Amino acid sequence: SAVISQKPSRDICQRGTSLTIQCQVDSQVTMMFWYRQQPGQSLTLIATANQGSEATYESGFVIDKFPISRPNLTFSTLTVSNMSPEDSSIYLCSVEDLSGRHYNEQFFGPGTRLTVL
Amino acid sequence: DAKTTQPTSMDCAEGRAANLPCNHSTISGNEYVYWYRQIHSQGPQYIIHGLKNNETNEMASLIITEDRKSSTLILPHATLRDTAVYYCTLKIGETSGSRLTFGEGTQLTVNP
Repeated sequence: SAVISQKPSRDICQRGTSLTIQCQVDSQVTMMFWYRQQPGQSLTLIATANQGSEATYESGFVIDKFPISRPNLTFSTLTVSNMSPEDSSIYLCSVEDLSGRHYNEQFFGPGTRLTVL
Repeated sequence: DAKTTQPTSMDCAEGRAANLPCNHSTISGNEYVYWYRQIHSQGPQYIIHGLKNNETNEMASLIITEDRKSSTLILPHATLRDTAVYYCTLKIGETSGSRLTFGEGTQLTVNP
């Protein structure tokens, strides 16, 4: 199965600043997803990132606030811009594996725990 | 809104089977049922998925009713390490890019 790493694993930031979260996969994948998990809550999809095209954002999420890059088939970044305490969450990268015995399974990274003061 | 409903919490004795129910009464014909679990502070872990037939793998069994409006995840011999939040989700087909939408999940606590 795909192995996913995220950097940083956690961070504490000041309001008004921005943080870029990196997601690295050990194999080429077509689809990458970014989720947010607010404290004590379930996962909410932010956007879907395809290589070579604009990310597709879910309702309630906009590119200016959460710009995403997808420069190649193994890497993506999510930036949380102009942060406020309400952005304190775990941010999770996820990939869809369309190869071999794990066809159509979706795997998640370990997450980035963000605290905004 | 999530298309699945699950009990908020369940308890299970270690070594016994854990049966986690999920209702998805508005499921579409091309939607698969997926189960994930999330152990505290970790990313969700894939468990199993199915369309209409019962499925089994090394982790669990998935029983889907004939009308596909509900399903049950079975952990045959629960251990303390199975304590986690279990999410039942729906995903359209086996097409690339179809989204997983998570509900609130069931907090399963396995007791010694």
